[in-house]
Amino acid sequence: DAKTTQPPSMDCAEGRAANLPCNHSTISGNEYVYWYRQIHSQGPQYIIHGLKNNETNEMASLIITEDRKSSTLILPHATLRDTAVYYCIVGRDNDMRFGAGTRLTVKP
Amino acid sequence: DSGVTQTPKHLITATGQRVTLRCSPRSGDLSVYWYQQSLDQGLQFLIQYYNGEERAKGNILERFSAQQFPDLHSELNLSSLELGDSALYFCASSGHGGLNQPQHFGDGTRLSIL
Repeated sequence: DAKTTQPPSMDCAEGRAANLPCNHSTISGNEYVYWYRQIHSQGPQYIIHGLKNNETNEMASLIITEDRKSSTLILPHATLRDTAVYYCIVGRDNDMRFGAGTRLTVKP
Repeated sequence: DSGVTQTPKHLITATGQRVTLRCSPRSGDLSVYWYQQSLDQGLQFLIQYYNGEERAKGNILERFSAQQFPDLHSELNLSSLELGDSALYFCASSGHGGLNQPQHFGDGTRLSIL
């Protein structure tokens, strides 16, 4: 079973920031938080990952709470092409269990 | 483009048959992972290979087997196919097994069993 809890769906207005939450209260000290997204039936696309510090790359920012029990993925300026299922995964390299994810719909 | 190549993109076959799915990892990646995604289920981890050796096993049926070759490409063999095996099969690769490097996925093979 996935070790994370995500809302099943969210909407976001185009051009606004999309903030996707994830709860992972049972995360252990050596487990990372990974975010992926899947657009329609394409292969999951890696977005970002982190251990305890906040991370930012060209796609998104990852904010991890100090107790590491939850995190938020931020897409700073959502576009229609960001409509996808977003997966938050807690694990290590060979133990990544995908849950149902959050279906983000970006609306014009 | 993730750099992971899967062939074929689509495969249609009948029950009882055997098929082979192929995956070429990103250049330099040593680990290859296989996943199954059915309509009614999420992504299910099947198996991982690292530099030719099996590293981890997930929910892989005994009818399914995989291997990784010296050139690091991998094949997933599915035999005695059943209707329920219809699914998307994804391959992913990562740089170093056990070092928490993210996995990068191919575009998948869509398998349809008639």
